[in-house]
Amino acid sequence: GAVVSQHPSWVICKSGTSVKIECRSLDFQATTMFWYRQFPKQSLMLMATSNEGSKATYEQGVEKDKFLINHASLTLSTLTVTSAHPEDSSFYICSARRTQGGELFFGEGSRLTVL
Amino acid sequence: QQPVQSPQAVILREGEDAVINCSSSKALYSVHWYRQKHGEAPVFLMILLKGGEQKGHEKISASFNEKKQQSSLYLTASQLSYSGTYFCGTDDSGGSNYKLTFGKGTLLTVNP
Repeated sequence: GAVVSQHPSWVICKSGTSVKIECRSLDFQATTMFWYRQFPKQSLMLMATSNEGSKATYEQGVEKDKFLINHASLTLSTLTVTSAHPEDSSFYICSARRTQGGELFFGEGSRLTVL
Repeated sequence: QQPVQSPQAVILREGEDAVINCSSSKALYSVHWYRQKHGEAPVFLMILLKGGEQKGHEKISASFNEKKQQSSLYLTASQLSYSGTYFCGTDDSGGSNYKLTFGKGTLLTVNP
């Protein structure tokens, strides 16, 4: 299957700092990437759709100033959690859609812990 | 709209079969199936696009009904490695508005 790489896998930060998570599609170009958040034993919640070269589309209830998304190239999207607080602690997962075939592949996920 | 998955959980003995269902109140453009193990990201299993479609292999397969509102995942002769949470993701808008909405998941436990 296609490979989507996410970095870092784990991050621990102090309250008030910002954290950047990278998502790369390694063997295909992805005009659209998606960012999900998952709480323990719960489903994946779509946060935003990241479009290459344009602004991200955020789901209702997701603060765009809090979760900054940049999709600078066809293979890279970044999520920056700004001024992180303990309630932002979660498992963040990116995904990329292969245009041909329509499959959606997930990165390995990033577990954020805010102290 | 979040699809409805059933059952919420199932426990099997190795070698037994299971069926997981995913349904929507609207016709869907596609259904994706994933398996997620604890602490890991979801792994893609398969995608269904056409009404009446069936795909996969003899061990893990899936179907998409003619109305494109219901999909089932079939796990045959289960192995220990099948344990995990299974999610269906559905796209009910298609085209430029594509996005997947996931069901709540089905926790499958396969015991020796």
